[in-house]
Amino acid sequence: KAGVTQTPRYLIKTRGQQVTLSCSPISGHRSVSWYQQTPGQGLQFLFEYFSETQRNKGNFPGRFSGRQFSNSRSEMNVSTLELGDSALYLCASSWNAGGRTEAFFGQGTRLTVV
Amino acid sequence: DQQVKQNSPSLSVQEGRISILNCDYTNSMFDYFLWYKKYPAEGPTFLISISSIKDKNEDGRFTVFLNKSAKHLSLHIVPSQPGDSAVYFCATRTTSGTYKYIFGTGTRLKVLA
Repeated sequence: KAGVTQTPRYLIKTRGQQVTLSCSPISGHRSVSWYQQTPGQGLQFLFEYFSETQRNKGNFPGRFSGRQFSNSRSEMNVSTLELGDSALYLCASSWNAGGRTEAFFGQGTRLTVV
Repeated sequence: DQQVKQNSPSLSVQEGRISILNCDYTNSMFDYFLWYKKYPAEGPTFLISISSIKDKNEDGRFTVFLNKSAKHLSLHIVPSQPGDSAVYFCATRTTSGTYKYIFGTGTRLKVLA
């Protein structure tokens, strides 16, 4: 059974640009959550999608958005990039809505904003 | 406002000895706790969990202890092995509204051979 796949693995963008990250969950999993990891801040919850609907959202500005498709694949978009957006972005999938079952993480996308 | 705290950013332990990683939380409504392990360039992997109705859960070399009155969680690794060297995150689940995980800031464990 394939794990959670995130693409791309690494990305370098310039301030002001926008970026789209992709996450393919484990087959059969309907919940996809996104987290931002920065040094000293742990994993900060961005949002969760379940059956194409955003069910929960963390405390991030509106520049961070996401969506989920009918095949449960999810994308995260960050517009007007800032230097502080440089981080490891992790996607996690679970069978049920986040928190009710264990989440399985992808390898992450390392975003560097210059 | 950090609801889940891992106050030790790093820990070094000799191979074969016990590693104890600690985690404190602020909300008594949290009812489910997990530990994740993360190697560099990889996503976190689930290690072990515990429900708030228990005070201990064991899985091989890994044991998680929960002290609800102190709002404290700990992970014991016995015996520690060099391959255990990684960053360990504790996480908990909210019970209000829709469920989501809240993670601590992580503790980097280094097991010395």
